[in-house]
Amino acid sequence: GQQLNQSPQSMFIQEGEDVSMNCTSSSIFNTWLWYKQEPGEGPVLLIALYKAGELTSNGRLTAQFGITRKDSFLNISASIPSDVGIYFCAGQRYGGSQGNLIFGKGTKLSVKP
Amino acid sequence: DTGVSQDPRHKITKRGQNVTFRCDPISEHNRLYWYRQTLGQGPEFLTYFQNEAQLEKSRLLSDRFSAERPKGSFSTLEIQRTEQGDSAMYLCASSTSNTEAFFGQGTRLTVV
Repeated sequence: GQQLNQSPQSMFIQEGEDVSMNCTSSSIFNTWLWYKQEPGEGPVLLIALYKAGELTSNGRLTAQFGITRKDSFLNISASIPSDVGIYFCAGQRYGGSQGNLIFGKGTKLSVKP
Repeated sequence: DTGVSQDPRHKITKRGQNVTFRCDPISEHNRLYWYRQTLGQGPEFLTYFQNEAQLEKSRLLSDRFSAERPKGSFSTLEIQRTEQGDSAMYLCASSTSNTEAFFGQGTRLTVV
């Protein structure tokens, strides 16, 4: 099935560093979502974006809905060890149903204390 | 716990056997979704219910797969004649018409 292009695939950073990851698509999306998944668990919603250009924060996390509606990025500031996990972008394609989310392959984040 | 609940958490089955998974959504959520996630990949959409009506099915949902939500509350996903390629995490999510999807912890299926 179709998946979004998410990069980087993995990141190894030092505690306290900032992190940036992004997601691109060839299709226009109505909604961009960012999820975090830990081993053996389901994805947990971090941030939802609904309008082109929208910039939304959730604590140390900031995400933006690209102006072209074909991309989004997620920033994590001052990373801490509990930020470790896999971060997925997901989008609802223009003309698609609400429940049919397209996911990226994920960015695996490792944080060294 | 008022989150999405899935049962079992893990299932090991022999190839050719049938398996059934259950999902209990968040109680006020009228929409329920099934996704499949293989190792190293993001979740992939399988099917979607609004109340008891199955409104959308992915091409990934072969004829060996069937999902039901008979009373608009819990849902079951059955896989008949399992194959090794069915090994994956099966995720259930639920939402209202105005909220984003909240996922359960998933059922990890291993076909041996």
